[in-house]
Amino acid sequence: GAVVSQHPSWVICKSGTSVKIECRSLDFQATTMFWYRQFPKQSLMLMATSNEGSKATYEQGVEKDKFLINHASLTLSTLTVTSAHPEDSSFYICSASTLAGEQYFGPGTRLTVT
Amino acid sequence: DAKTTQPPSMDCAEGRAANLPCNHSTISGNEYVYWYRQIHSQGPQYIIHGLKNNETNEMASLIITEDRKSSTLILPHATLRDTAVYYCIVRVGGGNQGGKLIFGQGTELSVKP
Repeated sequence: GAVVSQHPSWVICKSGTSVKIECRSLDFQATTMFWYRQFPKQSLMLMATSNEGSKATYEQGVEKDKFLINHASLTLSTLTVTSAHPEDSSFYICSASTLAGEQYFGPGTRLTVT
Repeated sequence: DAKTTQPPSMDCAEGRAANLPCNHSTISGNEYVYWYRQIHSQGPQYIIHGLKNNETNEMASLIITEDRKSSTLILPHATLRDTAVYYCIVRVGGGNQGGKLIFGQGTELSVKP
């Protein structure tokens, strides 16, 4: 199947700083990418849909000014958590959609805010 | 997107078939049934999807009832590595016009020796 990577796989940052997470589709072009967040013992929660060259669409309750999404190319989308706080500590997962509509997920990024 | 209902947990003996049920009684005619699984602390892995016909691939089989209100994912010979949370999701399929995936709580499958 198609491969999606994320970088970094884990990151620890101090409260008030910003963190950028990258999501790349390695062997296919993805005009649409998605960002999810997952807290311990919970299911994945969709945060936003990212379309190449246009503004992301955020799900209800997700602060667009806090979670900045950029999808500058067909193989790269980035999520920046701005002014991170401990409650933003979570497992962040991206997925990329092929032309056939199948979504492949990255391995996730574990963010810990101290 | 229609919602799905799955049992929260199931056990299966290693080497036996694992049958994971899913109810999606409000599914629309253009919505597909997708199955993903998530092994602890990893990203979800695509398993299989279907519209109305039964489907089979190297990982699993998907049986969809004739009225499409429910489906069953079958892992024919479960191994310990199949221990994971299995998610049944319905969404509009087809190209990049496909709808977003909304995850429910899934079924936590434990394969035991």
